[in-house]
Amino acid sequence: AQSVTQLDSQVPVFEEAPVELRCNYSSSVSVYLFWYVQYPNQGLQLLLKYLSGSTLVKGINGFEAEFNKSQTSFHLRKPSVHISDTAEYFCAVRVINDYKLSFGAGTTVTVRA
Amino acid sequence: DGGITQSPKYLFRKEGQNVTLSCEQNLNHDAMYWYRQDPGQGLRLIYYSQIVNDFQKGDIAEGYSVSREKKESFPLTVTSAQKNPTAFYLCASSTPLGNEQYFGPGTRLTVT
Repeated sequence: AQSVTQLDSQVPVFEEAPVELRCNYSSSVSVYLFWYVQYPNQGLQLLLKYLSGSTLVKGINGFEAEFNKSQTSFHLRKPSVHISDTAEYFCAVRVINDYKLSFGAGTTVTVRA
Repeated sequence: DGGITQSPKYLFRKEGQNVTLSCEQNLNHDAMYWYRQDPGQGLRLIYYSQIVNDFQKGDIAEGYSVSREKKESFPLTVTSAQKNPTAFYLCASSTPLGNEQYFGPGTRLTVT
């Protein structure tokens, strides 16, 4: 079975500073990787996904992530955050040809002026 | 606009009562899912359905039941057997083996 570990539960950051959210996964087979964002009391919105090809993936709102197979990681980055980036971020993994998504516990990002 | 609707947004029930959460999608997706979200635990899969009239248990199905009589609807019943029903419930849908799941806005259930 696959699993996901998000290494930071809370990340405080100042506006216009860079941010990195760390995600590691374990799986014995090939997987697809996803990052979702959740604003308070709302559903989840897809930020970006890695299926195959280039290991650097660009998503919405200026976010990007890099897939590192040797380190089984999929860290999310943004070079300059805004107050509006305050939200909870979830890393998720899905085994190819399976329906089930496995989620990490989430990282709460709080952006301060 | 295509999307997923969940109603109501907030739901309050007394302990011992069954309650049904609604999930409707107009994305023409075959697959639908129910997740439970608790603080600090991420999302956990309750049930999923790949096609009408078929569904499978997820990781935490005990105390829950579902039906899938129509492609666009996947209601979840939280029964009195669920020991800790207070949580945020999220419904999602996807194409078969779709690369991403689309989520509804969620229902926050409080049982006292």
